[in-house]
Amino acid sequence: SQKIEQNSEALNIQEGKTATLTCNYTNYSPAYLQWYRQDPGRGPVFLLLIRENEKEKRKERLKVTFDTTLKQSLFHITASQPADSATYLCALGVTRNDMRFGAGTRLTVKP
Amino acid sequence: GAVVSQHPSWVICKSGTSVKIECRSLDFQATTMFWYRQFPKQSLMLMATSNEGSKATYEQGVEKDKFLINHASLTLSTLTVTSAHPEDSSFYICSARVRSSYNEQFFGPGTRLTVL
Repeated sequence: SQKIEQNSEALNIQEGKTATLTCNYTNYSPAYLQWYRQDPGRGPVFLLLIRENEKEKRKERLKVTFDTTLKQSLFHITASQPADSATYLCALGVTRNDMRFGAGTRLTVKP
Repeated sequence: GAVVSQHPSWVICKSGTSVKIECRSLDFQATTMFWYRQFPKQSLMLMATSNEGSKATYEQGVEKDKFLINHASLTLSTLTVTSAHPEDSSFYICSARVRSSYNEQFFGPGTRLTVL
């Protein structure tokens, strides 16, 4: 069966450290993968998109990797801040219209 | 730019009534809008894809007669939950795709529906 697993429901780290979130998938062949941030009671906010032929993407303190062999994406936030505390969702782009979301990882950055 | 609004932000209704949720792209044209449902601590589940001027495409298991979608213009899509029941209580989120983008979706703030 098809699965998208963000293998930490919750992650707690200290301010200033690097947060690493994992997204693993099974029985999908995504053309691209996206990461979103979602705050409680709000809609997701787009962060980064990485295509299947790209290994790594960076945007300010964010870095995403995409390994189609391992069927895994890693999402890193460097120099984390309490304001980074939120739920982070990975989303697999199966087609241009079809995007499937993981359940998310709730990140808490403690001062 | 790329702001999506939803109205209402929350609604409480009695079982058996219908509820309409609006999704607007405020500063761009969206040929495609998406409707999602999210239960607590669960992922977003795509309900349907809405294309301007044509019928919506529903995901498997989503009743098209219960969840009516209308995408009458390039900036407005509506979702009507007909004859709502308590099990329809959820967080409904719309998103819109910028015409030129690969599939970067801009999400609305969501609508919390509670059916009594």
